[in-house]
Amino acid sequence: KNQVEQSPQSLIILEGKNCTLQCNYTVSPFSNLRWYKQDTGRGPVSLTIMTFSENTKSNGRYTATLDADTKQSSLHITASQLSDSASYICVVRRNSNSGYALNFGKGTSLLVTP
Amino acid sequence: NAGVTQTPKFQVLKTGQSMTLQCAQDMNHEYMSWYRQDPGMGLRLIHYSVGAGITDQGEVPNGYNVSRSTTEDFPLRLLSAAPSQTSVYFCASSYSLRGRYEQYFGPGTRLTVT
Repeated sequence: KNQVEQSPQSLIILEGKNCTLQCNYTVSPFSNLRWYKQDTGRGPVSLTIMTFSENTKSNGRYTATLDADTKQSSLHITASQLSDSASYICVVRRNSNSGYALNFGKGTSLLVTP
Repeated sequence: NAGVTQTPKFQVLKTGQSMTLQCAQDMNHEYMSWYRQDPGMGLRLIHYSVGAGITDQGEVPNGYNVSRSTTEDFPLRLLSAAPSQTSVYFCASSYSLRGRYEQYFGPGTRLTVT
């Protein structure tokens, strides 16, 4: 079972509207959580990273929240633009000194329409 | 500073052929990884390396070989291509600094096996 679940799988919104993407995880022990944006045909690019002690972080119109108690994160996009159309991937890092520690969600595909 | 580069960008192979996907980074990062991305599956780890001369298997290593003779290069070899290996392949490099883990992805190689 995937330890990082994202919802919704896909989303269509009108330009200018806000939206919120969800990420729930079971990864333990927790180190940090990162949101990536992946444009079509390109590699993922980091938007934000959050550690255990951070519950909100913003990057322009993107605001990520983290509730480490309930193991939930959200990515809120304000005043969406056509260029926000992309896949958004949640990645949770396990706190470990050995082995591979990253756990990837399957992503949410966002389409912003005029 | 080119970041993470991958070649080729596109490749078509026949079943049974072999080939090498190239990945190079010029950021002196110790960690490098290979992922494949399939529709609905998200990014899945194939192999990774924590330094020159050290490699390990990820989630889906079968049919792929890697080596890491230098810090800069991390080629991925397909020994005998199969249609199930049709996918988009991403290479990534990363470093860890004071508990923060930064990962950079290449632009991807789109591989079709017929």
